[in-house]
Amino acid sequence: AQSVTQLGSHVSVSEGALVLLRCNYSSSVPPYLFWYVQYPNQGLQLLLKYTTGATLVKGINGFEAEFKKSETSFHLTKPSAHMSDAAEYFCAVGAQAGTALIFGKGTTLSVSS
Amino acid sequence: GAGVSQTPSNKVTEKGKYVELRCDPISGHTALYWYRQSLGQGPEFLIYFQGTGAADDSGLPNDRFFAVRPEGSVSTLKIQRTERGDSAVYLCASSVQGTQTYNEQFFGPGTRLTVL
Repeated sequence: AQSVTQLGSHVSVSEGALVLLRCNYSSSVPPYLFWYVQYPNQGLQLLLKYTTGATLVKGINGFEAEFKKSETSFHLTKPSAHMSDAAEYFCAVGAQAGTALIFGKGTTLSVSS
Repeated sequence: GAGVSQTPSNKVTEKGKYVELRCDPISGHTALYWYRQSLGQGPEFLIYFQGTGAADDSGLPNDRFFAVRPEGSVSTLKIQRTERGDSAVYLCASSVQGTQTYNEQFFGPGTRLTVL
């Protein structure tokens, strides 16, 4: 069985500050890990994914995440927040190619000027 | 190119009524997924199609929910005898089916269902 826990339902940062959104997973098989972003009234958009290989994954809009097997974590970071980063962020895990994703409950990111 | 589209964008119905929600996947995508997102929650898996057949329907909550994909493209999610607890945003996603790697699921904007 797989599960995802996102620590912190709401994170607030100032513009230009570091963004850190936490995600821990549970999986009985080597996981595929994803971060999606959802803007109001829009569909989910993939930010980045880890499948195999390099554990530090770079995505769109300056975001990156590091897969740490020993900590079962896949935290999302961005060095400098922009106002346009304000959105809902979801971490997700998949077991194998073609299977459904298991999502966390999401973290709302607020960015203040 | 066109992304995943879902119609209607909003659906309001009364308790006990029947509703159909439609999903048009990206052309050429053989895998299609339905998820349900309740307020304040992440999306929850309902059903997955590979081609015309349901490869995994373990997420359907009960027998009031049913989905079809008769020609391997458009899919319809059908809900009978709707209940207030069915109110949620229903998301559809599609992907190129891969066997060696986990391909990205592209999501539609969703259908917001409200059961009064």
